[in-house]
Amino acid sequence: QAVVIQEPSLAVSPGGTVTLTCVSSTGAVTSGHYPYWFQQKPGQAPRTLIYETNNRDSWTPARFSGSLLGGKAALTLSGAQPEDEADYYCLLSYGGARVFGGGTKLTVL
Amino acid sequence: QVQLQESGPGLVKPSQTLSLTCTVSGGSISSGRFYWSWIRQHPGKGLEYIGYIYYSGSTYTYYNPSLKSRVTISVDTSKNQFSLRVSSVTAADTAVYYCARQGIGVAGDWGQGTLVTVSS
Repeated sequence: QAVVIQEPSLAVSPGGTVTLTCVSSTGAVTSGHYPYWFQQKPGQAPRTLIYETNNRDSWTPARFSGSLLGGKAALTLSGAQPEDEADYYCLLSYGGARVFGGGTKLTVL
Repeated sequence: QVQLQESGPGLVKPSQTLSLTCTVSGGSISSGRFYWSWIRQHPGKGLEYIGYIYYSGSTYTYYNPSLKSRVTISVDTSKNQFSLRVSSVTAADTAVYYCARQGIGVAGDWGQGTLVTVSS
């Protein structure tokens, strides 16, 4: 089974910009992996931020954007807010298989 | 707005079978557009994809290879529910279990999760 790798932790200053990435052990991430990004806050269920590379869910603030960057899936947060402090997970599809990344703990400080 | 709600025992004894049900409201499980998924999260850890069932008359299932020998996901269209069974559980199966709906061209939805503890 493929392994999906994310930065374990990142920090960003309020108002700042940060990019989280999602790497596949099998090679470059493409739109064919249908990258998803999920946000999870303590004690809450995850919720979808971005689906299929760059589509925001209806609740997703515009400061979040998804893309493909240098063979990776990327989630960029521009203008970080304190409420963006959370765990972020990517999910990649490999044909019928689904694999989560290990998650990135984002600190806003 | 589709809502998903997990239900089932919160405590299961080692070696027994864990059984959970996800009730779907606000949408039909038979619509054929969605993957009805189970995901779990061990305490303090990341998300693990257990598997999904795709139903459109016939069914297609995917199971995480690490769990495949112990996991069954099924659908009950008459009740608009889908279910998870994990056999021969150990303490390593203690986790919060989420049901979720995913599909092509949609963001998807998650249940609130249910904690299952494996202990004698």
